[in-house]
Amino acid sequence: AQKVTQAQTEISVVEKEDVTLDCVYETRDTTYYLFWYKQPPSGELVFLIRRNSFDEQNEISGRYSWNFQKSTSSFNFTITASQVVDSAVYFCALSERMDSSYKLIFGSGTRLLVRP
Amino acid sequence: GAGVSQTPSNKVTEKGKYVELRCDPISGHTALYWYRQSLGQGPEFLIYFQGTGAADDSGLPNDRFFAVRPEGSVSTLKIQRTERGDSAVYLCASSTGGTDRGYNEQFFGPGTRLTVL
Repeated sequence: AQKVTQAQTEISVVEKEDVTLDCVYETRDTTYYLFWYKQPPSGELVFLIRRNSFDEQNEISGRYSWNFQKSTSSFNFTITASQVVDSAVYFCALSERMDSSYKLIFGSGTRLLVRP
Repeated sequence: GAGVSQTPSNKVTEKGKYVELRCDPISGHTALYWYRQSLGQGPEFLIYFQGTGAADDSGLPNDRFFAVRPEGSVSTLKIQRTERGDSAVYLCASSTGGTDRGYNEQFFGPGTRLTVL
């Protein structure tokens, strides 16, 4: 069955520290997509990144970077030089193929608190 | 442009009552999804529409839940005989649909927070 595990329930860091959020997934699909979303206290889901299972290149976007390793079924997310505004719940998600679309399977989230 | 909108933003009801939650997708999006996010959890898939038909309703928890999309645009999620365990944020998303070009981005609405007393 498709599954996403985010083992870290809550992480607290001091501003400017680097922090890595772990994500491990299980899937039976040969082609799949992985995602990270941010959910700030306001509640909306903010899309951060999507990766295709065929593309294992790591990606960097500003202070954010993602490490996709198919061999370990992991898709970890690192925030460099964290800021207070990074405080939010972060969700990793995996696509599951339906007949004509995909549903998203979300992990339980990691709450990140960045203290000044 | 306008994103996905959901109304109401908050709904408080009493146990046993009937509620309707509305989703207005992005104009032109043929695919519409409902997810439910319970406190402290990630969103969970409920149902997917392609056009007017429910293409996959495997996530609906029981027969008290059903959803419609009669004209292929606005969708309504209906919950009968609400229970306290139905309290959650109900999220709607829409996309251009189809899988011929791979994944089509799902754009999420702000959600409706349902509280059953």
